[in-house]
Amino acid sequence: DGGITQSPKYLFRKEGQNVTLSCEQNLNHDAMYWYRQDPGQGLRLIYYSQIVNDFQKGDIAEGYSVSREKKESFPLTVTSAQKNPTAFYLCASSPFRDANQPQHFGDGTRLSIL
Amino acid sequence: KNEVEQSPQNLTAQEGEFITINCSYSVGISALHWLQQHPGGGIVSLFMLSSGKKKHGRLIATINIQEKHSSLHITASHPRDSAVYICAVFAGGTSYGKLTFGQGTILTVHP
Repeated sequence: DGGITQSPKYLFRKEGQNVTLSCEQNLNHDAMYWYRQDPGQGLRLIYYSQIVNDFQKGDIAEGYSVSREKKESFPLTVTSAQKNPTAFYLCASSPFRDANQPQHFGDGTRLSIL
Repeated sequence: KNEVEQSPQNLTAQEGEFITINCSYSVGISALHWLQQHPGGGIVSLFMLSSGKKKHGRLIATINIQEKHSSLHITASHPRDSAVYICAVFAGGTSYGKLTFGQGTILTVHP
């Protein structure tokens, strides 16, 4: 079955350490997104990519970086510059940039600071 | 004020009850999405609306574009409906599919 796979499900980071969250999709979707979810708040967009080798900052990109070397993969790196990284991270994809198509979501990665 | 407001924030019901979750938004939109987030965190898209009403099983979603309001109804609620329900809108006029999300409604259905 097609879908989005995020790994790991839980991730722990030490202070000053970069960590990378994986997102892989086999839906042949062009667009991919990374969101951050904090308790009591709506999802906020970190980065998005419409095509391979192209990506754009979302609303809260500071302290994060991404790459899109393959259509299927859109990894997110949480850098040491992100001062409050503890959150739930969700990856999503859609057939193209048209938001009149539903976005498909992964099961998320919960990141905590040790 | 958030661009997308949901009410109530928390909702508790007994099995079999009819449930309504509301979503109001302050911008012009071209599409509105209703999403369901399971306790484990995964999100499933339930509906995408641009006008009128859609029905899938016990779920019904309506939208009133003039009033900038949408509702999600669950008939004959069941404990397995317990989840967070999220409203999201696409305002259009951008070069990418940016959704603006409500804060979610936590629904708990007791047997």
